[in-house]
Amino acid sequence: EPEVTQTPSHQVTQMGQEVILRCVPISNHLYFYWYRQILGQKVEFLVSFYNNEISEKSEIFDDQFSVERPDGSNFTLKIRSTKLEDSAMYFCASGTLGSATQYFGPGTRLTVL
Amino acid sequence: AQSVTQPDIHITVSEGASLELRCNYSYGATPYLFWYVQSPGQGLQLLLKYFSGDTLVQGIKGFEAEFKRSQSSFNLRKPSVHWSDAAEYFCAVVGGYQKVTFGIGTKLQVIP
Repeated sequence: EPEVTQTPSHQVTQMGQEVILRCVPISNHLYFYWYRQILGQKVEFLVSFYNNEISEKSEIFDDQFSVERPDGSNFTLKIRSTKLEDSAMYFCASGTLGSATQYFGPGTRLTVL
Repeated sequence: AQSVTQPDIHITVSEGASLELRCNYSYGATPYLFWYVQSPGQGLQLLLKYFSGDTLVQGIKGFEAEFKRSQSSFNLRKPSVHWSDAAEYFCAVVGGYQKVTFGIGTKLQVIP
């Protein structure tokens, strides 16, 4: 069964450094998403992406965040200058046109020191 | 704006006992509703979903959920819990641009 994959599974970085989290969505999916889950809190929507542009973003998704689909398979989330409060589990998800169902990857745990 | 409330943060049940996890939603139109499960250190696995039609939906691992529009609820049930069901369960609603709004989650502990 096809699944969403994410790399790395765990990323440790110093405050102020740039990180790129990578996702490979399910191959025929056209909608892509990033969510995050701070430890002990609910999963929060960050951004949705369709047709090579952002469809919707939350107030969390400020200028420090960006997303890109650099090729036909990868979908990335970049944090330009990480802060301690960016420490969280980041989930990528993908979905098909016309379906509300999203399929989630296993997540990348980001730890900012 | 859409929202989801899961009133029970932690629930403990004995193995073999029945389970019901509560979920209430707020959404202006007909909702798309989901239950996801997250085992420790794992990602979010889709258990079941409701879009329309029969208000009782069946999912994987023996779970089912019932949509009640009058109560704005989508409670998850299982007749007999197994130790492997210990996990965190998230109710979710999908709204504009397919943005998923999650509840806070309910942690299920199963005791022998």
